[in-house]
Amino acid sequence: IAGITQAPTSQILAAGRRMTLRCTQDMRHNAMYWYRQDLGLGLRLIHYSNTAGTTGKGEVPDGYSVSRANTDDFPLTLASAVPSQTSVYFCASSEKVDNNEQFFGPGTRLTVL
Amino acid sequence: GQNIDQPTEMTATEGAIVQINCTYQTSGFNGLFWYQQHAGEAPTFLSYNVLDGLEEKGRFSSFLSRSKGYSYLLLKELQMKDSASYLCAAMDSNYQLIWGAGTKLIIKP
Repeated sequence: IAGITQAPTSQILAAGRRMTLRCTQDMRHNAMYWYRQDLGLGLRLIHYSNTAGTTGKGEVPDGYSVSRANTDDFPLTLASAVPSQTSVYFCASSEKVDNNEQFFGPGTRLTVL
Repeated sequence: GQNIDQPTEMTATEGAIVQINCTYQTSGFNGLFWYQQHAGEAPTFLSYNVLDGLEEKGRFSSFLSRSKGYSYLLLKELQMKDSASYLCAAMDSNYQLIWGAGTKLIIKP
């Protein structure tokens, strides 16, 4: 693994189903983030983690949950998917929280029908 | 509230210079970032400014005026591969990035 990876690359999901998007980084970065990107809107922060064992809510956390059991992994779970969660999801990481460049994964394109 | 404004789309000619402007309003300020995003790909870091002035990095330069809540990204000697979206993001007092919707830059030969 080099950098930050996400899985799956894309997914079509029926409304009401549970889905976990995976994110793994091998840079030993302390901070990790989940964003969604929708056409015409800027990236919006869903949840973040400043360090392993801690998480926080971003701008649009409703309907999503995260965990940070270790430094490398930061999965995002949709408990019961709805069509408004159709989006491109990016995971990102940075060495530390403040004033640091964020490195992005390749993204997951999710469609909820 | 917090807000980032940047033009939706700009067109420029190969070999020319283009300036992409960004204005921001945030609760506190810990720096201004520019990212490049090619269609279907992830954003990649271009520049970071926290002090007033111009930062030059090869063909790309970024300027910041904290008193005016204003930044610009200057791209020189444009190449076709510079066709992409350019995202402006300001870091607020909680060290969270507030993102603009991006400026789609179209380069014509």
